[in-house]
Amino acid sequence: QVLLVQSGAEVKKPGASVRLSCKTSGYSFTDYFIHWVRQASGQGPEWMGRATHYSQNFQGRVTMTIDTSTTTVYMELNSLRPEDTAVYYCVRERQGGLFDYWGQGTLVAVSS
Amino acid sequence: QTVVTQEPSLTVSPGGTVTLTCASSNGAVTKSYSPNWFQRKPGQPPKTLIYSTDNTHSWTPARFSGSLLGDKAALTLSGVQPEDEAEYYCLLYDGGAWVFGGGTRVTVL
Repeated sequence: QVLLVQSGAEVKKPGASVRLSCKTSGYSFTDYFIHWVRQASGQGPEWMGRATHYSQNFQGRVTMTIDTSTTTVYMELNSLRPEDTAVYYCVRERQGGLFDYWGQGTLVAVSS
Repeated sequence: QTVVTQEPSLTVSPGGTVTLTCASSNGAVTKSYSPNWFQRKPGQPPKTLIYSTDNTHSWTPARFSGSLLGDKAALTLSGVQPEDEAEYYCLLYDGGAWVFGGGTRVTVL
């Protein structure tokens, strides 16, 4: 079955970087995109991007990479600030806007 | 930057019907916006209900349907069940980026 399994929770200090992973299985990896979405407590979700196609809100601060050998997608966010505290999700998309499976989410807490 | 607007909250009686809408600040929502709809319950990841305006997944209950309603995307819940109480979010593709709506909290009362 299709699985997206994300890495564990992270606690970071302001200014630090975080690298999250999303290990995929159960499907043809190259037939789909993996996007990253975050949701802070009490707020709506925010689309962050997919590999090489980032939201303007994160340009220059985010890097998303793909390892096809391990079917894993990584998201690195730099210069963390307290407002980056959120649950980060990976979600699969078949080109054309077909979103389907989500990872379980990773909590990132940014605090001094 | 595009702003996507949803009703903040709606209340529906069990067995009733409710329609949620999703509007774009850039004008009428069309199929080219590829509207997706997600359900989120506390402590769980979102679940995709509708993709590309009106297509359902194998796990989407038949009481959920997507459409275009006037100049907006819409999600209709027919024969609402207590377990449908949740937050619902739409997602649109606009201007080369995906944009979420702020969400609608549906209360079943």
